[in-house]
Amino acid sequence: VQLLESGGGLVQPGGSLRLSCAASGFTFSSYAMSWVRQAPGKGLEWISVISGSGGTTYYADSVNGRFTISRDTSKSTLYLQMNSLRAEDTAIYYCAKGAGAVTRPVDYWGQGTLVTVSS
Amino acid sequence: QTVVTQEPSFSVSPGGTVTLTCGLSSGSVSTSYYPSWYQQTPGQAPRTLIYNTNTRSSGVPDRFSGSILGNKAALTITGAQADDESDYYCVLYMGNGIWVFGGGTKLTVL
Repeated sequence: VQLLESGGGLVQPGGSLRLSCAASGFTFSSYAMSWVRQAPGKGLEWISVISGSGGTTYYADSVNGRFTISRDTSKSTLYLQMNSLRAEDTAIYYCAKGAGAVTRPVDYWGQGTLVTVSS
Repeated sequence: QTVVTQEPSFSVSPGGTVTLTCGLSSGSVSTSYYPSWYQQTPGQAPRTLIYNTNTRSSGVPDRFSGSILGNKAALTITGAQADDESDYYCVLYMGNGIWVFGGGTKLTVL
């Protein structure tokens, strides 16, 4: 299993950014995928999960209504569209594979991509 | 809102055994929460140790084991080694697609 995130960078407050995660080594459509973030010096925070089919999504309250998770099975790629970004969204964002459905925990992690929200 | 609780820090002697716990601010942890454990060293991505209460992830030595102890999930490390010194996070499934991580335990081996 390999998960490779991209798309991080510096963005101004109120701005938008789209993260991508290229997956390989497993049948992408068979597994839920999540995004987990970690603010500098802080712990892990689960923010979103999407089912293998892409038909079901869930979000943490902290990002609900601002972030959108999606996936493209033809490209084995997971996305996170982040809008209305705030300083508190500054974090390393990890792409993570689930052990099955959305009710199953993460079993593999990417290396992360850093998002910095600052003027 | 229910909070997932972990010991902020713990210390173990080399070769010793330590049990870290993962609880709820209200209620008891059961297998229905699919408790899982992750290890993270500074500057690195998390590594999955245990998922679904007691399933070891691929490549994880059997020194690491997961269980339910009383009203909490537990991660036990036997024969602690210097490179076990890390941050350990648990996560619980709260239902309705929502997962919540604990605040993490900083384990020192000395």
